[in-house]
Amino acid sequence: AQSVTQLDSQVPVFEEAPVELRCNYSSSVSVYLFWYVQYPNQGLQLLLKYLSGSTLVKGINGFEAEFNKSQTSFHLRKPSVHISDTAEYFCAVSGSGGSYGKLTFGQGTILTVHP
Amino acid sequence: EPEVTQTPSHQVTQMGQEVILRCVPISNHLYFYWYRQILGQKVEFLVSFYNNEISEKSEIFDDQFSVERPDGSNFTLKIRSTKLEDSAMYFCASRPSQHTGELFFGEGSRLTVL
Repeated sequence: AQSVTQLDSQVPVFEEAPVELRCNYSSSVSVYLFWYVQYPNQGLQLLLKYLSGSTLVKGINGFEAEFNKSQTSFHLRKPSVHISDTAEYFCAVSGSGGSYGKLTFGQGTILTVHP
Repeated sequence: EPEVTQTPSHQVTQMGQEVILRCVPISNHLYFYWYRQILGQKVEFLVSFYNNEISEKSEIFDDQFSVERPDGSNFTLKIRSTKLEDSAMYFCASRPSQHTGELFFGEGSRLTVL
């Protein structure tokens, strides 16, 4: 079984400050890792994904994440946030093969960017 | 940009009534999913659908739930006899044929069972 823990339910930050949203996972098999963002009244949008290869993954809107297998983490970072980054962020894992697409989500982190 | 569309955006129903939530996936996608999010809880996988049959379903997806792709464009989730605990946001998602293709989510259908 897989599980995902997002360590912070809410992260307030000032505009142009750096931010890190933390995600830890557990799985007995190799996983694929994802970060999704949900803006108010919208669906989930993929920010980035780790499938294999380089452990540093770059996504849309200036976000990046680093896969750390030894620490089973996949933290999301942005060096300088904007007001428009205010949203809820979800970390998720899936298995490979036929289970790809069956995502296990964390509980979400609400990022609030203050002017 | 192609998108997954869901209707209705919000439905209120009485306990015991049947509900059908509709989704139009992106046209060239082959894999389809339903997820739900009960208020304040995690987004949970319900069911995946490929080649006109269910490929995988969660424990939540019991006999009260069914999915169908009736006409090659719509993908529906039916709840036969709704319970209070079915109140949630239901998300449809689809992805293309390649193994590691991105899941595209719709905006969700909020179901309120009274």
